[in-house]
Amino acid sequence: GAVVSQHPSWVICKSGTSVKIECRSLDFQATTMFWYRQFPKQSLMLMATSNEGSKATYEQGVEKDKFLINHASLTLSTLTVTSAHPEDSSFYICSASWDFANTGELFFGEGSRLTVL
Amino acid sequence: RKEVEQDPGPFNVPEGATVAFNCTYSNSASQSFFWYRQDCRKEPKLLMSVYSSGNEDGRFTAQLNRASQYISLLIRDSKLSDSATYLCVVSTGGGNKLTFGTGTQLKVEL
Repeated sequence: GAVVSQHPSWVICKSGTSVKIECRSLDFQATTMFWYRQFPKQSLMLMATSNEGSKATYEQGVEKDKFLINHASLTLSTLTVTSAHPEDSSFYICSASWDFANTGELFFGEGSRLTVL
Repeated sequence: RKEVEQDPGPFNVPEGATVAFNCTYSNSASQSFFWYRQDCRKEPKLLMSVYSSGNEDGRFTAQLNRASQYISLLIRDSKLSDSATYLCVVSTGGGNKLTFGTGTQLKVEL
């Protein structure tokens, strides 16, 4: 089945540093990938829609200069949290689908747990 | 009002019990509905889509009530392995953009 892989699965960094998270579709091409953030006991919140070969579409309230998204190929999207601060500590998850219109299924990466000290 | 609302629970039920969750959505233009399951500290996984006519998959039954704008999930003969958070997910606008509820936590006990 379709698999989406994320890396790293967890990262601890100092405040002020930048962290890059990769999301790969392993056996299908994904023109669109989605980045979510989930705080403890809260729902997944869509941060942005990543489009291959073009700029990402950010949700209201998400700073595009802080959360840099690059979707350079059909199988890879990256999210860079720039100048991370403790309030950015969260669970970041990406998702993609090869046939959402018919299957209604999004495949999620394993998630990346970011802790900013 | 939240776009998608769920009772966070937890629902603590004995093994073998039947349990039902409801989820309400605010946008009457919502088109597709899903239940996802999320285990602790893991990614969500699709449990089942929800069709207008209702659908069943083994011990799981999902129903949609468009007039009242809610969907439901019924789990029969609960297993310990059913313990998880069940996310109500709604799609609006015909695209891949999904809105997630906060989830309902289920704990099945011996």
